[in-house]
Amino acid sequence: EVQLVESGGGLVKPGGSLRLSCEASGFSFSGYSMNWVRQAPGKGLEWVASISSSGNYKYHGDSVRGRFTISRDNAKNSLYLQMKSLRVEDTALYYCARGPIAAAGVDWGQGTLVTVSS
Amino acid sequence: AIQMTQSPSSLSAFVGDRVTITCRASQGIESQLAWYQQKRGRAPKLLIYAASSLQSGVPSRFSGSGSDTDFTLTISSLQPEDFATYYCLQDYDNLPTFGPGTKLEIK
Repeated sequence: EVQLVESGGGLVKPGGSLRLSCEASGFSFSGYSMNWVRQAPGKGLEWVASISSSGNYKYHGDSVRGRFTISRDNAKNSLYLQMKSLRVEDTALYYCARGPIAAAGVDWGQGTLVTVSS
Repeated sequence: AIQMTQSPSSLSAFVGDRVTITCRASQGIESQLAWYQQKRGRAPKLLIYAASSLQSGVPSRFSGSGSDTDFTLTISSLQPEDFATYYCLQDYDNLPTFGPGTKLEIK
């Protein structure tokens, strides 16, 4: 069974940093691209970043480019999102998702909540 | 970035109704479009990929159509468990974008 478990969320002040993790199990992690998608409270879904299976290719959304960095460690079956210069508008539930998110076979975690507030 | 719009933003319908939601891309995306369902407090669930392919395990009352810039999601006969928010998603250019969502409510 595919499992994606996010962690690392919490309360942080504006301008602060946070690192999210997503631990994967039940599949060959190194064979899949991975994504972060977020959802602000009561709002819609927003793709944040994606990374290729090898980690060689990384893409970030306009709203986070230059502040967030996606990475992975295939030896640890883990995906990361380093978030810096956090803003109030970054407050959201952050989901980890396996594979191209518009393709068959995608799987999602249950999310970790990030709250940016003074 | 490719922008996605959806209509309507909300919709009320009866169980058994046929419902159609539309999605438009700001530029051609071929068939690189998916549809998601999200219920309150739950992770999104993929319904349709490649504009018209049904994800495994999804009931056949869900169908998708369209290409280039205009797409539709149709639910042929609404069931109580279908009341949720629906999002379209394009993944044409490695920078996926979601539509704003359509909230489907019970009338």
